[in-house]
Amino acid sequence: DAMVIQNPRYQVTQFGKPVTLSCSQTLNHNVMYWYQQKSSQAPKLLFHYYDKDFNNEADTPDNFQSRRPNTSFCFLDIRSPGLGDAAMYLCATSRLGTGEAFFGQGTRLTVV
Amino acid sequence: AQTVTQSQPEMSVQEAETVTLSCTYDTSENNYYLFWYKQPPSRQMILVIRQEAYKQQNATENRFSVNFQKAAKSFSLKISDSQLGDTAMYFCAFMKNYGGATNKLIFGTGTLLAVQP
Repeated sequence: DAMVIQNPRYQVTQFGKPVTLSCSQTLNHNVMYWYQQKSSQAPKLLFHYYDKDFNNEADTPDNFQSRRPNTSFCFLDIRSPGLGDAAMYLCATSRLGTGEAFFGQGTRLTVV
Repeated sequence: AQTVTQSQPEMSVQEAETVTLSCTYDTSENNYYLFWYKQPPSRQMILVIRQEAYKQQNATENRFSVNFQKAAKSFSLKISDSQLGDTAMYFCAFMKNYGGATNKLIFGTGTLLAVQP
């Protein structure tokens, strides 16, 4: 089945140690999103891609970076994770003009 | 900037009953989508229903229907014949319908719905 896959499902990292989360899709969608969701809160958009065009939210910390080497893959890099970065990270995809986003299962990041 | 507001943090309904979740939004756009997403305890976000702003007819998907009031900027979700599997966090969301690149999906704060047996 076509889908959005996030790896790993659970990630534990040390304070200040760089970590990369990955997302892949088989839907061939041109838009990909990264959201941060803390417990019992709404997902907060960090950035999104339209094809290779990168769109950063104004309040996304510089500590968060992203790469999209091709249509299928997108990565979230956290350069120096702090305790406040512990959250669920959601990847989603969308085809421009269809108005529907498909989500992966998320990666739960723990910072110790 | 667009904002989405859900004024009911938590709701409870008896199995087989009907419940309505509220959502209001603010935008100056005329062409957009509105959504209700469901996030069960397993945490994968699932689309429940979608409404295109240019359509006057309210969207319906089986037991789920919306009441879209464009002038009032209101978009409520009605769940009929509630089932235990409907227990989840429900998010209202907004997306501009541009021909260009900014397809941002903006979420409300969510309503936690508990269906009681």
